[in-house]
Amino acid sequence: GENVEQHPSTLSVQEGDSAVIKCTYSDSASNYFPWYKQELGKGPQLIIDIRSNVGEKKDQRIAVTLNKTAKHFSLHITETQPEDSAVYFCAAPTGTASKLTFGTGTRLQVTL
Amino acid sequence: DTEVTQTPKHLVMGMTNKKSLKCEQHMGHRAMYWYKQKAKKPPELMFVYSYEKLSINESVPSRFSPECPNSSLLNLHLHALQPEDSALYLCASSQEPGPRSSPLHFGNGTRLTVT
Repeated sequence: GENVEQHPSTLSVQEGDSAVIKCTYSDSASNYFPWYKQELGKGPQLIIDIRSNVGEKKDQRIAVTLNKTAKHFSLHITETQPEDSAVYFCAAPTGTASKLTFGTGTRLQVTL
Repeated sequence: DTEVTQTPKHLVMGMTNKKSLKCEQHMGHRAMYWYKQKAKKPPELMFVYSYEKLSINESVPSRFSPECPNSSLLNLHLHALQPEDSALYLCASSQEPGPRSSPLHFGNGTRLTVT
């Protein structure tokens, strides 16, 4: 079926280190890949997105890479800070309907 | 702070109650969404409104009834809910319908507890 797999489910890094979260998708028609950050008690907030006509996009300490052939995309956070601690969700459009399917989420913990 | 406002932030209701969740956005977005999120799970789509018309119902039980009074407002009417319906209910909007064309902007949700 159409799904989005996300790994790892939890990730603990020391402050200043890099964090990488990976997602794979099955719908070959998917052409838009957003990443959301959800802090405790809040809704998901869009942090970066990429469309299928580019392979990489950067915004300060965060970047997203896309490999359409392999159907996977990754979130890279460099120089992590305690405020980066949150749950991160990848997402991709699936099916013919206007539906965004979310990955299962990664809980990132940045320790001092 | 999010530009999608949801009220109330918290709601406790009994199984025989009728209540409504409200969502408002003033970004001129033409699509609005209801998602349900259980603890430690991703958001799951419930309904989509495109240009104030219901375009997607993800086989949601009839005890959940959405309403879009105008392009800025979205309601979710609740009646005869079950304890398993307890969850965070998220509203979202996008400039145009369809996730392939424009990103979703989420509110902070209503934490619903059904007793």
